[in-house]
Amino acid sequence: DVKVTQSSRYLVKRTGEKVFLECVQDMDHENMFWYRQDPGLGLRLIYFSYDVKMKEKGDIPEGYSVSREKKERFSLILESASTNQTSMYLCASSLNSGRSNYGYTFGSGTRLTVV
Amino acid sequence: GESVGLHLPTLSVQEGDNSIINCAYSNSASDYFIWYKQESGKGPQFIIDIRSNMDKRQGQRVTVLLNKTVKHLSLQIAATQPGDSAVYFCAELGGSNRLAFGKGNQVVVIP
Repeated sequence: DVKVTQSSRYLVKRTGEKVFLECVQDMDHENMFWYRQDPGLGLRLIYFSYDVKMKEKGDIPEGYSVSREKKERFSLILESASTNQTSMYLCASSLNSGRSNYGYTFGSGTRLTVV
Repeated sequence: GESVGLHLPTLSVQEGDNSIINCAYSNSASDYFIWYKQESGKGPQFIIDIRSNMDKRQGQRVTVLLNKTVKHLSLQIAATQPGDSAVYFCAELGGSNRLAFGKGNQVVVIP
């Protein structure tokens, strides 16, 4: 069964800490995405990547960075965690648009609490 | 943490009845649409998709209808079961390779 795996389901970090959220997919997908999900706001795109070592800002990149050193792994980095970054973080991957399937496959999510 | 279902439009449906969830999309150039289901504490899961050259597609107990004239998408769930309780999102794909997601609808199945 193909998968997008997020390394942590629940995470509690202190304000000011540097936080790494890891995501790995085993589907050889070119595209990977990081979203945060908050009640009433839906899914908001933070960063995405169409290829190794490539990254693009999404709609809310402030306070975040990403790393894609290998095709299967896309890491989200909170440089200095703040309480307003408490959220559910979702990673997703997809094939390039030239292929037949455009749908995203999502991980199970990481619920991050910053105290 | 708070449930993602808070603050969302909610459809309460009796077990065994049919459910209809609606979605208005914004981009008339969108040519691919997906419905996702998200259960509490989990990531969204693909349910069914449809391309713009179709107006109806059926899966197992689910049907998606597309009305391009009014930019409207709906998901019909037949014989709703308790396991169908979740948040349902529509998503559209336009000119880029990025899906645009709706905010979602909460479905609550009453046993």
